[in-house]
Amino acid sequence: GIQVEQSPPDLILQEGANSTLRCNFSDSVNNLQWFHQNPWGQLINLFYIPSGTKQNGRLSATTVATERYSLLYISSSQTTDSGVYFCVYNNDMRFGAGTRLTVKP
Amino acid sequence: DGGITQSPKYLFRKEGQNVTLSCEQNLNHDAMYWYRQDPGQGLRLIYYSQIVNDFQKGDIAEGYSVSREKKESFPLTVTSAQKNPTAFYLCASSIGGTDTQYFGPGTRLTVL
Repeated sequence: GIQVEQSPPDLILQEGANSTLRCNFSDSVNNLQWFHQNPWGQLINLFYIPSGTKQNGRLSATTVATERYSLLYISSSQTTDSGVYFCVYNNDMRFGAGTRLTVKP
Repeated sequence: DGGITQSPKYLFRKEGQNVTLSCEQNLNHDAMYWYRQDPGQGLRLIYYSQIVNDFQKGDIAEGYSVSREKKESFPLTVTSAQKNPTAFYLCASSIGGTDTQYFGPGTRLTVL
């Protein structure tokens, strides 16, 4: 099956900073989702983005399927953005290991 | 309210006992999934079901069993054959097999 690699594994930001999280795939993908896991363990769906770019408030995501990667942008980060961000290839139900984001006040 | 419920939130069991985790959804979704998450790691697929009375093994099915007798319900049994059952268990559902997944709040199982 497809391998999913996320980078960076850990990220510490000051409140107000911007960040880019990356997800690389071992093959071309056409069915990708981004999630945020909050400190209580709840997984919140951010984007279903098989290709192209989507925006939702301070968050946006871009998937370039032929180049085998997806990016999640967080602008003007807030402490409530802290948690772990996962990308998942839905055809295989295969999750990356996640990026742990800590936003400091 | 539409959504996915898992119960209980915390579960403690003695080693050697089977335990069943509940997952219910009222979203009218056909597909349901069970994942396991260990501390500091991503999610791994245990079992999934695309339709009632049918389910398939995921990457780590050994020591687990499921049933799908109703569209709304997909219980997971952690058997005594599972060598390391202490983990966070998450249930999800989607309209179809490759559509957007929605997750329940999870059950933290601790085996003493």
